[in-house]
Amino acid sequence: AQTVTQSQPEMSVQEAETVTLSCTYDTSESDYYLFWYKQPPSRQMILVIRQEAYKQQNATENRFSVNFQKAAKSFSLKISDSQLGDAAMYFCAYRSYAGGTSYGKLTFGQGTILTVHP
Amino acid sequence: EAQVTQNPRYLITVTGKKLTVTCSQNMNHEYMSWYRQDPGLGLRQIYYSMNVEVTDKGDVPEGYKVSRKEKRNFPLILESPSPNQTSLYFCASSISTGGYYGYTFGSGTRLTVV
Repeated sequence: AQTVTQSQPEMSVQEAETVTLSCTYDTSESDYYLFWYKQPPSRQMILVIRQEAYKQQNATENRFSVNFQKAAKSFSLKISDSQLGDAAMYFCAYRSYAGGTSYGKLTFGQGTILTVHP
Repeated sequence: EAQVTQNPRYLITVTGKKLTVTCSQNMNHEYMSWYRQDPGLGLRQIYYSMNVEVTDKGDVPEGYKVSRKEKRNFPLILESPSPNQTSLYFCASSISTGGYYGYTFGSGTRLTVV
């Protein structure tokens, strides 16, 4: 079974600065997808960015980018030019490529609370 | 608007009183799933469904039931709720079991069992 670990329960950053959230995972599969979800106080789960494991190039979405290290099973999220609206809980998640034995399950890490200081 | 609609948003109930949390999606998604979110544990899968009349247990199914009689609906049933089921619940759907699309989530149900 796959596991996802976020070792930073809380992080903080100054507005306009850069912050990196860490995520590691464990799997025996070679093809899979990784995601970062944002959960603001409204509780809505918002997809921030996704990465296909077969792609070496790191995904980027505006101010959000990832550092995907497949051999190390590491998937960190970098937020550049942090804004007050980035304050939220962030979850790292794993999903198998084609269902596999996990039947489409999204496996989540424990979450990291990000605080943005003005 | 493509969405997953989950109701109610908040619910306080007493131990042992049966309740149902409804979930409906308008995207014709095959795959639907229920999760519970607890502090320090992230989100954990309760049950999932790969299509109509096809459901199976996730990681934490004890005390829960589901049904999938129609493709759009996937209710979560707690027949005898207990305080340890106090949690934040999410319904989610996906176009398939394959990974690229991730999930579309409902807005969550905060359940308190006293």
